[in-house]
Amino acid sequence: EAGVTQFPSHSVIEKGQTVTLRCDPISGHDNLYWYRRVMGKEIKFLLHFVKESKQDESGMPNNRFLAERTGGTYSTLKVQPAELEDSGVYFCASSHQGTGELFFGEGSRLTVL
Amino acid sequence: DAKTTQPPSMDCAEGRAANLPCNHSTISGNEYVYWYRQIHSQGPQYIIHGLKNNETNEMASLIITEDRKSSTLILPHATLRDTAVYYCIVRVVTGANNLFFGTGTRLTVIP
Repeated sequence: EAGVTQFPSHSVIEKGQTVTLRCDPISGHDNLYWYRRVMGKEIKFLLHFVKESKQDESGMPNNRFLAERTGGTYSTLKVQPAELEDSGVYFCASSHQGTGELFFGEGSRLTVL
Repeated sequence: DAKTTQPPSMDCAEGRAANLPCNHSTISGNEYVYWYRQIHSQGPQYIIHGLKNNETNEMASLIITEDRKSSTLILPHATLRDTAVYYCIVRVVTGANNLFFGTGTRLTVIP
């Protein structure tokens, strides 16, 4: 069974540009999460989808971040325009409904210059 | 979700048991104890969880005190590949499964 896959693994962009990160959850997992770790800080929750609906987006830092999960399958996280402080590793995770075991992807490293 | 306290770092000799403590004195009756780890810069990996009984799986054992205010994750025979940051997280298992990671314990397994 394929795990959670994320693309790209690393993206380097300039301040002001746009980046879109993609996450493919484990097949059949209704729950999809985005987390991020900025340099030297803890892993922080960004948002949670249940199927295509946003269950909790309390961790989204500001309106430059837009997450979508059309059709309840894969998800995208767009950062527009990117700022220097957005640099970090963005993790996606998925889980079955009703369980606390989250399966994480390898992350997408974003570097904003 | 309840706050947890973990030592920032620990060392363990290869082949010996690694015992990682966690305090969660404000845990509620419906909150579970979860352990995850992050090896280098990989994505976090689920290890084990429990409510009040001790649990064991192929990776580790989880010992929860009777009052549930603390727990210990035990890696019975630590290997170099177990070097990682270990996170103790307490949470209610509901429809909202978001996890709150703290600073964790950096475990270094020494040859």
